[in-house]
Amino acid sequence: EAGVTQFPSHSVIEKGQTVTLRCDPISGHDNLYWYRRVMGKEIKFLLHFVKESKQDESGMPNNRFLAERTGGTYSTLKVQPAELEDSGVYFCASSQWGSRDEQYFGPGTRLTVT
Amino acid sequence: AQKITQTQPGMFVQEKEAVTLDCTYDTSDQSYGLFWYKQPSSGEMIFLIYQGSYDEQNATEGRYSLNFQKARKSANLVISASQLGDSAMYFCAMREAKNTGGFKTIFGAGTRLFVKA
Repeated sequence: EAGVTQFPSHSVIEKGQTVTLRCDPISGHDNLYWYRRVMGKEIKFLLHFVKESKQDESGMPNNRFLAERTGGTYSTLKVQPAELEDSGVYFCASSQWGSRDEQYFGPGTRLTVT
Repeated sequence: AQKITQTQPGMFVQEKEAVTLDCTYDTSDQSYGLFWYKQPSSGEMIFLIYQGSYDEQNATEGRYSLNFQKARKSANLVISASQLGDSAMYFCAMREAKNTGGFKTIFGAGTRLFVKA
């Protein structure tokens, strides 16, 4: 069974540019989460999809971030326009419904804004 | 307020020895879950172990065990017989139920473990 995949693995962009990150969850997982880790700090929740619906987007920093999940399958996270403080590693995770909500993580996308 | 606290930014352990990584948490929920994840240098997050708040026994998964002390709100990870491949960042996380339904998972800042040969 394929795990969670993310693309690209690394992105370097200039301030003001746009970047789109993609996450493909494990097939059959309704829950999809985006997290971000800024260097040396804790992993912070960004948002949670249940199928194609946004269940919780309370962690999104501001309106420069837009997440979508087309047809309840893959998800994209767009940052437009990117700022220096957006640099970090963006993780995607997916899980099935259940009491544990054990989340399987992708390898992350390292975003560097210069 | 920080809900997951990992007080050890870095830890060293000799190969083949046991090591304990500390984690304390803060919640008013009665039902919650605690997780540990490993992040090697390659970057992926690997699930290690889970402890439910109602589980009476400490969780174990191979060389990993979770020392769950509910009254103290601590969930320390114990790695027995450390191996060089255990060198990685380790994250403690807590899953809480949200008022609006579903769950929310909160992570600590992580502990970097170095295993010495």
